[in-house]
Amino acid sequence: KAGVTQTPRYLIKTRGQQVTLSCSPISGHRSVSWYQQTPGQGLQFLFEYFSETQRNKGNFPGRFSGRQFSNSRSEMNVSTLELGDSALYLCASSLEVWGQGVEQYFGPGTRLTVT
Amino acid sequence: DQQVKQNSPSLSVQEGRISILNCDYTNSMFDYFLWYKKYPAEGPTFLISISSIKDKNEDGRFTVFLNKSAKHLSLHIVPSQPGDSAVYFCAVLTTGANSKLTFGKGITLSVRP
Repeated sequence: KAGVTQTPRYLIKTRGQQVTLSCSPISGHRSVSWYQQTPGQGLQFLFEYFSETQRNKGNFPGRFSGRQFSNSRSEMNVSTLELGDSALYLCASSLEVWGQGVEQYFGPGTRLTVT
Repeated sequence: DQQVKQNSPSLSVQEGRISILNCDYTNSMFDYFLWYKKYPAEGPTFLISISSIKDKNEDGRFTVFLNKSAKHLSLHIVPSQPGDSAVYFCAVLTTGANSKLTFGKGITLSVRP
């Protein structure tokens, strides 16, 4: 089975712009979660989608949004980019919602640099 | 408010010796505790987990210990190998309708040959 894929792998944007990141989960996985990784804060949970519905959300401003499509692919959007949004954005998929399993499979991430 | 704390940012051990990575948490309501390993330019990889009702789980060279009274979690790697050099994240999971996985900041482990 192919693993979790994320596109693009690297991205450079300017402050004030918006960006859309894409994640394709492992085939058959219905839950997709997004995380932000920065040197100072480590890994932080952004949100989780299951069957096209956002099931949980971390403590991030409304500039961060996401959605999931019927094929379980997910996109994450960040509007009005700030320098502090520079980070590695990781997507993870799992077979079911978190309550029923403890293994998430992560993609390689998208490295976003905001200048 | 940090729910998961990995207070030591780095650890260096000699190949063949034991590596002990520590993690503290603040909330007694977590259901599972997990460790992930991350190499540069890759996503984290699930390593081992433990349920809140257990105090030890072993998988090959990796053992996780849970001390609920101290709200402390540790990962033991023995014997340590150079390929174990990576960043290790401790994570806690609350299950249910608002399930969420919360990670610590990570510990960089270096295993010297």
